[in-house]
Amino acid sequence: GENVEQHPSTLSVQEGDSAVIKCTYSDSASNYFPWYKQELGKGPQLIIDIRSNVGEKKDQRIAVTLNKTAKHFSLHITETQPEDSAVYFCAASLYTDKLIFGTGTRLQVFP
Amino acid sequence: EPEVTQTPSHQVTQMGQEVILRCVPISNHLYFYWYRQILGQKVEFLVSFYNNEISEKSEIFDDQFSVERPDGSNFTLKIRSTKLEDSAMYFCASTLENRNQPQHFGDGTRLSIL
Repeated sequence: GENVEQHPSTLSVQEGDSAVIKCTYSDSASNYFPWYKQELGKGPQLIIDIRSNVGEKKDQRIAVTLNKTAKHFSLHITETQPEDSAVYFCAASLYTDKLIFGTGTRLQVFP
Repeated sequence: EPEVTQTPSHQVTQMGQEVILRCVPISNHLYFYWYRQILGQKVEFLVSFYNNEISEKSEIFDDQFSVERPDGSNFTLKIRSTKLEDSAMYFCASTLENRNQPQHFGDGTRLSIL
């Protein structure tokens, strides 16, 4: 079955710096890759997603890149702010059905 | 914006007891899911449900687990005889359709087994 690896497990940055979180997946059939942000005591909130027919997608300060050949995808957050501090999960799936999550990255943005 | 709502937010139960976790998916959504997150670990898929049937289930979803959509709005997860290792956050999610629409998650129920 699908397996998703995520790195790093923790990431600390200064406010205004960029943050990059990387994931790899094992099942080449996967074609949908969402990123979720989880704040303390809350459920995962979708922040951006990408499908396998697209190499990059951007939404304001957040971007996601996908390398299908290498089975890698990454989340890029620019101009980080303290409110970006949370746990971020990547996931992979066939279409938007059963999601297989990565192990999570705890991002801390220091003022 | 429509939300997935889950109740209770925290459930404490004695080992061996039955527990029912409740979810109200977004009203026009058709596909429903339960996921589990053990403290400090990743979110794990348990089961998907469509058209009043289980579509897929994981190895975690054994005979002690069941799901039901008892009416037009609720989606429940029942654990028949709870074990200590069932202690986790349980998240419900829903989507309008499972090919192109993202899943929306509730805030979860924290289940503590004593």
